[in-house]
Amino acid sequence: QKEVEQDPGPLSVPEGAIVSLNCTYSNSAFQYFMWYRQYSRKGPELLMYTYSSGNKEDGRFTAQVDKSSKYISLFIRDSQPSDSATYLCAMSDPFSGGGADGLTFGKGTHLIIQP
Amino acid sequence: KAGVTQTPRYLIKTRGQQVTLSCSPISGHRSVSWYQQTPGQGLQFLFEYFSETQRNKGNFPGRFSGRQFSNSRSEMNVSTLELGDSALYLCASSLRVSTEAFFGQGTRLTVV
Repeated sequence: QKEVEQDPGPLSVPEGAIVSLNCTYSNSAFQYFMWYRQYSRKGPELLMYTYSSGNKEDGRFTAQVDKSSKYISLFIRDSQPSDSATYLCAMSDPFSGGGADGLTFGKGTHLIIQP
Repeated sequence: KAGVTQTPRYLIKTRGQQVTLSCSPISGHRSVSWYQQTPGQGLQFLFEYFSETQRNKGNFPGRFSGRQFSNSRSEMNVSTLELGDSALYLCASSLRVSTEAFFGQGTRLTVV
């Protein structure tokens, strides 16, 4: 079983729709949760990060973490064609004994917003 | 504020050669980590440095190594290159170990 599962898509939605992206994970020690956006041939861009459970909102983006279900989500409201990209979830346990193990990434969901 | 800078952006090397990639982190960030990204495996953690000390290392062979300098700049080295080492190598910097990280544009390495 992979540590972080993410549907690769592609996920195609019309412009203006609400997009829901999700990841599940198996390591209950993860404490930090991040969402990145990656355009083709570019490095990942940090969109949101949260510590432990709860919701966080930033403009059109909302991140949710449910540690009891080991499930995280990213919602994009009023989606735009410029949101078309690959979205990667990442998580980490910075407090593990002996040193943390970096960020563990999902494989990414390819999102297409149709004009 | 300048972002994470990686050089070079593109490299073509021959099997058996070695390569050194460079990374300059965001000013004030003392943690630098390296990742390998391939279509099949996605983003995989190589290693992380904080204040010139390697804090952790991913599941990669010893041919992959790195170091961090006193100004937080970092280099990674791959020796005896193999065709399978062709990938996008990404550097990221952060304020603290294994927390939200900011990535550079990557170095695309092609081994022929």
